[in-house]
Amino acid sequence: AQTVTQSQPEMSVQEAETVTLSCTYDTSENNYYLFWYKQPPSRQMILVIRQEAYKQQNATENRFSVNFQKAAKSFSLKISDSQLGDTAMYFCAFMTPTGNQFYFGTGTSLTVIP
Amino acid sequence: DVKVTQSSRYLVKRTGEKVFLECVQDMDHENMFWYRQDPGLGLRLIYFSYDVKMKEKGDIPEGYSVSREKKERFSLILESASTNQTSMYLCASSLISSNQPQHFGDGTRLSIL
Repeated sequence: AQTVTQSQPEMSVQEAETVTLSCTYDTSENNYYLFWYKQPPSRQMILVIRQEAYKQQNATENRFSVNFQKAAKSFSLKISDSQLGDTAMYFCAFMTPTGNQFYFGTGTSLTVIP
Repeated sequence: DVKVTQSSRYLVKRTGEKVFLECVQDMDHENMFWYRQDPGLGLRLIYFSYDVKMKEKGDIPEGYSVSREKKERFSLILESASTNQTSMYLCASSLISSNQPQHFGDGTRLSIL
């Protein structure tokens, strides 16, 4: 079975600074997909960024980027120029190649301090 | 944009009641999922469905059942609600293609008294 570990239950960052959220996973699959989701206090979960395991290039979406280390099974999220609206719970997720099973980490609660 | 709609944002029920949580998606997604979210435990999969009338158990199916009579609707049923089922319940849907993310509803905060 796949497992996803987020070792930082809570983090904080000053507005405009950069923060990195860590995620590790365990799998015997070679092809899979990784995601970071954001859940603001309003509760709807939204996709932040995705990474295909077969791509070596790290994904980037505006201020959000990932550091994907396949051999180390590590998938960290970097948020640059943090904004107050980035305050949320962040979940790392692993998806099997078949696309019908997701595994989520326990989440990291990020607070951006003005 | 994909819209996943859960019928209730907040729900209060009593122990022993039969509880229905409804979820509807409007993007013709094949896959639908029910999770419960608890502090410190993240999201745990209860059931998922990859087609009409098809269902698969997730990690914590005990005490729950599901129904998918139509492609757009996926219902979670608590046959006899218990206090340990007080939680946030999230519904999600996705295309069957392997690189597609899940889209989530707003969640239902269920309290069992």
